[in-house]
Amino acid sequence: DVKVTQSSRYLVKRTGEKVFLECVQDMDHENMFWYRQDPGLGLRLIYFSYDVKMKEKGDIPEGYSVSREKKERFSLILESASTNQTSMYLCASSTSGGTSYEQYFGPGTRLTVT
Amino acid sequence: QKEVEQNSGPLSVPEGAIASLNCTYSDRVSQSFFWYRQYSGKSPELIMSIYSNGDKEDGRFTAQLNKASQYVSLLIRDSQPSDSATYLCAVIGQGAQKLVFGQGTRLTINP
Repeated sequence: DVKVTQSSRYLVKRTGEKVFLECVQDMDHENMFWYRQDPGLGLRLIYFSYDVKMKEKGDIPEGYSVSREKKERFSLILESASTNQTSMYLCASSTSGGTSYEQYFGPGTRLTVT
Repeated sequence: QKEVEQNSGPLSVPEGAIASLNCTYSDRVSQSFFWYRQYSGKSPELIMSIYSNGDKEDGRFTAQLNKASQYVSLLIRDSQPSDSATYLCAVIGQGAQKLVFGQGTRLTINP
């Protein structure tokens, strides 16, 4: 079974704090993704990475950065948290090639910025 | 035009009936198609993948793909209350790693 874990299920931070969200997968997947999900807006891609130290912007990268130093770990960083970053954050991973690209999600982190 | 479109629902189906969920997509070169189930407050769970035209069955679930009409659907037979969830359609293009998700259809199975 694919397992994607995220560091926290719930997180409360103050405006202006630097926030780190961690994601780890145990299936040796090349690709990793960070999404946020908000009511009425669906899943929106923030960043993704297709290899160690590689990253690409998704649809809404502003206010976020990422780090991928090891294949199994992909971190999302909120440099200076703001209230409009209150959301559910979802990490996913997938392998490449053939008919794969199935993405498997972690349990999510519900972040509240006050 | 949205790239992946789903009826947001809610779709209400009596227990034991067939639930039919539909999805259309705009990119003709899309190659792979996925259905995810998401319970309230939880993360999406992959339930079906389909890559070629026709039907693919897995237990009570059947995915149907028609690339000419750019249409993919999910049928749930013998619907159970535990099937009540939001169902997300996702599509990936050729050579791409990113999925494009629809907004999801909220399904309620009434006992």
